[in-house]
Amino acid sequence: GAVVSQHPSRVICKSGTSVKIECRSLDFQATTMFWYRQFPKQSLMLMATSNEGSKATYEQGVEKDKFLINHASLTLSTLTVTSAHPEDSSFYICSASSRGSLREQFFGPGTRLTVL
Amino acid sequence: QKEVEQNSGPLSVPEGAIASLNCTYSDRVSQSFFWYRQYSGKSPELIMSIYSNGDKEDGRFTAQLNKASQYVSLLIRDSQPSDSATYLCAVSDSTLGRLYFGRGTQLTVWP
Repeated sequence: GAVVSQHPSRVICKSGTSVKIECRSLDFQATTMFWYRQFPKQSLMLMATSNEGSKATYEQGVEKDKFLINHASLTLSTLTVTSAHPEDSSFYICSASSRGSLREQFFGPGTRLTVL
Repeated sequence: QKEVEQNSGPLSVPEGAIASLNCTYSDRVSQSFFWYRQYSGKSPELIMSIYSNGDKEDGRFTAQLNKASQYVSLLIRDSQPSDSATYLCAVSDSTLGRLYFGRGTQLTVWP
């Protein structure tokens, strides 16, 4: 399968700071990238869908001003958690898919965010 | 809203046995179906995709799709302790490309 990387893999920050997470597709062009959040013992929750060069589409209940998503190129999307608070502590995972009908999504390794 | 239901588990099988994981979905127009494996603390890994009715085999894994019954399953033959993980069934919205996940079935293979 295709390779998707995420950076950083783990981050600890103080409440009120902003954290940027990068998601890269290493061996294919990702026309669409997805951002998920997963709390312990729960399933994946889709936060937003981003297409290269256009604004992200956020799921209901996800604050677009708090979770800023940029998909500036076909290989890079970023998620910035602004003014992070302890309740934002979670496992953030991106996935990427390429143009075509198969719509397979390949996941990055995830970023574990802890907000103190 | 698309719904994807999985047998809740947890499922526990001995090493060498066949593990059977089941999934049903609510939207008849769904076109693409996936099984992901997620180890504890890790992100999901795509292990099978299936798009047409019938069986698809890949090594020890067989996915089965029945669109009339809106049912997709995953069989793991000769189960190994390393197969112990949570298995996520996902159905794709072919228009937007987003995935709808089931809650997952936790599988434990004991030696």
